[in-house]
Amino acid sequence: NAGVTQTPKFQVLKTGQSMTLQCAQDMNHNSMYWYRQDPGMGLRLIYYSASEGTTDKGEVPNGYNVSRLNKREFSLRLESAAPSQTSVYFCASSAGLAGVEQYFGPGTRLTVT
Amino acid sequence: KNQVEQSPQSLIILEGKNCTLQCNYTVSPFSNLRWYKQDTGRGPVSLTIMTFSENTKSNGRYTATLDADTKQSSLHITASQLSDSASYICVVSSGSARQLTFGSGTQLTVLP
Repeated sequence: NAGVTQTPKFQVLKTGQSMTLQCAQDMNHNSMYWYRQDPGMGLRLIYYSASEGTTDKGEVPNGYNVSRLNKREFSLRLESAAPSQTSVYFCASSAGLAGVEQYFGPGTRLTVT
Repeated sequence: KNQVEQSPQSLIILEGKNCTLQCNYTVSPFSNLRWYKQDTGRGPVSLTIMTFSENTKSNGRYTATLDADTKQSSLHITASQLSDSASYICVVSSGSARQLTFGSGTQLTVLP
């Protein structure tokens, strides 16, 4: 039982390059989330998926796209990376949206030069 | 705008000592308050979740308190250990998991 896994763990991109961050959970959770964490700031929600087949914008969605591939997997894509997207990205999952615990992955540290 | 403020930003204590971390929030409506522990290079891990009606909740050496009237919470760590060195994050929910407001955390360092 691995919980929430993320790949890659580290990535360096040049401005304008694209990449996809992968996330998978093995807890049979319905809901999944992508957050970014920047120094001195709290985690901010980028996108979330309440259930398989649905995705919605969070607080900071600009420059990102997501795909809920199936119940287990939720990917985050940067189409044209910018230095402002340098951050640590966390995927999380929960059984549902309301009042339940979220489980976080180990994070992906992304640097855009 | 919903906000969660944590203090202090950082704290250094000696192993075996107790400490208390503070969280003040201006989040409405209020659903629940969570404390997470985040080790360096890892994702946050939940310590406690408290609803409006709960004043105190413990998880081993961690005890969280909530005063919904003053919109304050604290996390008390008893008999600190080196493994307690981490960032402690206060999170307030307005209802659903998409409505979480995260504090920026208190960085705790426990020295031998």
